[in-house]
Amino acid sequence: AQKITQTQPGMFVQEKEAVTLDCTYDTSDQSYGLFWYKQPSSGEMIFLIYQGSYDEQNATEGRYSLNFQKARKSANLVISASQLGDSAMYFCAMREGVGNDMRFGAGTRLTVKP
Amino acid sequence: NAGVTQTPKFQVLKTGQSMTLQCAQDMNHEYMSWYRQDPGMGLRLIHYSVGAGITDQGEVPNGYNVSRSTTEDFPLRLLSAAPSQTSVYFCASSWGQGNNQPQHFGDGTRLSIL
Repeated sequence: AQKITQTQPGMFVQEKEAVTLDCTYDTSDQSYGLFWYKQPSSGEMIFLIYQGSYDEQNATEGRYSLNFQKARKSANLVISASQLGDSAMYFCAMREGVGNDMRFGAGTRLTVKP
Repeated sequence: NAGVTQTPKFQVLKTGQSMTLQCAQDMNHEYMSWYRQDPGMGLRLIHYSVGAGITDQGEVPNGYNVSRSTTEDFPLRLLSAAPSQTSVYFCASSWGQGNNQPQHFGDGTRLSIL
């Protein structure tokens, strides 16, 4: 069964506007971590932000924030004040329990328009 | 800081050939893993290791072998290359097995099987 679902294959946003990339997950573990990665056209995977399942506050890192809704099992990435350099693939990922691997969603391609 | 180093960056093989993709990290990370990335499918886990001498299978292990004789190195072997193994391969590592640990990725190996 798919553990991580990203329903938006592609998204467009105007420069300087905010954008939300959706991610839902499926787990029966109480302890888990959620991650977002950025993959620019050059191909490398860049870690952006982390949210723990027990964290009560939404995680923030600069222009990135994670809208964590535990009951709905969603962990949406919000990018504020989009820049042209934000154009990339974005992957949501989850790590469950202890000693387990990281599973990824299929990704969302974000294009920022000037 | 070298981080996670993958070699080669590009490789073309003929069907039936074997080869080894190299991965080395200099961060003293316990956990290492191999993923393949195919269009529309995100990253899928091939094999992972929680420490030297210990390896385990991920989602798509068939046709691949791994070993972990040292903390630093985690090579991936293709035993008899098939066109279905054409993909981009990423090696990743993290400090430990905890679900709060982000993975650090190499730059990838783009592999084509003819």
